[in-house]
Amino acid sequence: AQTVTQSQPEMSVQEAETVTLSCTYDTSESDYYLFWYKQPPSRQMILVIRQEAYKQQNATENRFSVNFQKAAKSFSLKISDSQLGDAAMYFCAYRSARTSGSRLTFGEGTQLTVNP
Amino acid sequence: NAGVTQTPKFQVLKTGQSMTLQCAQDMNHEYMSWYRQDPGMGLRLIHYSVGAGITDQGEVPNGYNVSRSTTEDFPLRLLSAAPSQTSVYFCASSYDPYDYGYTFGSGTRLTVV
Repeated sequence: AQTVTQSQPEMSVQEAETVTLSCTYDTSESDYYLFWYKQPPSRQMILVIRQEAYKQQNATENRFSVNFQKAAKSFSLKISDSQLGDAAMYFCAYRSARTSGSRLTFGEGTQLTVNP
Repeated sequence: NAGVTQTPKFQVLKTGQSMTLQCAQDMNHEYMSWYRQDPGMGLRLIHYSVGAGITDQGEVPNGYNVSRSTTEDFPLRLLSAAPSQTSVYFCASSYDPYDYGYTFGSGTRLTVV
């Protein structure tokens, strides 16, 4: 079974600074997808960024980018120019490319605080 | 386009009571699933469905039932509520098994006393 670990329960960053959230995962598969989801106080789960394991290029979405290290099974999220609206719980998630259905395995989450 | 709609948003149950959490999507998504969110544990999969009439168990299925009679609806039934089922429940849907972007509902906060 796959597992996802987020070792930082809480992180804080100053507005306009850069912060990196860590995620490691364990799997014996070679083809899979990795995601970062944001959960603001509204409780809504919002997809931030996605990475396909077969792509070596790191995904980027505006101020959000990932550092995907497949051999190390590491998938960190970098937030540049942090904004107050980035304050939220962030979840890393794994999805096998072989199994059908909406089967995501989530990490424990990292609570990000953005200080003005 | 409403996306994924969950009702109710909040619910308090007494131990032993039963109830159904509703989930409906209007995006013609084949794949739907239920997760529960507990502090320090992330989200864990309860049950999922790959299409109408097809359901399967996830990581934590005990105490819950599901059915999928239509593409749009995927209700979650608590048979006999227990305090351990106090949690926030999320329904999610997607169109393609290899897509990237699961649409989540806004969640149901359930308290069992």
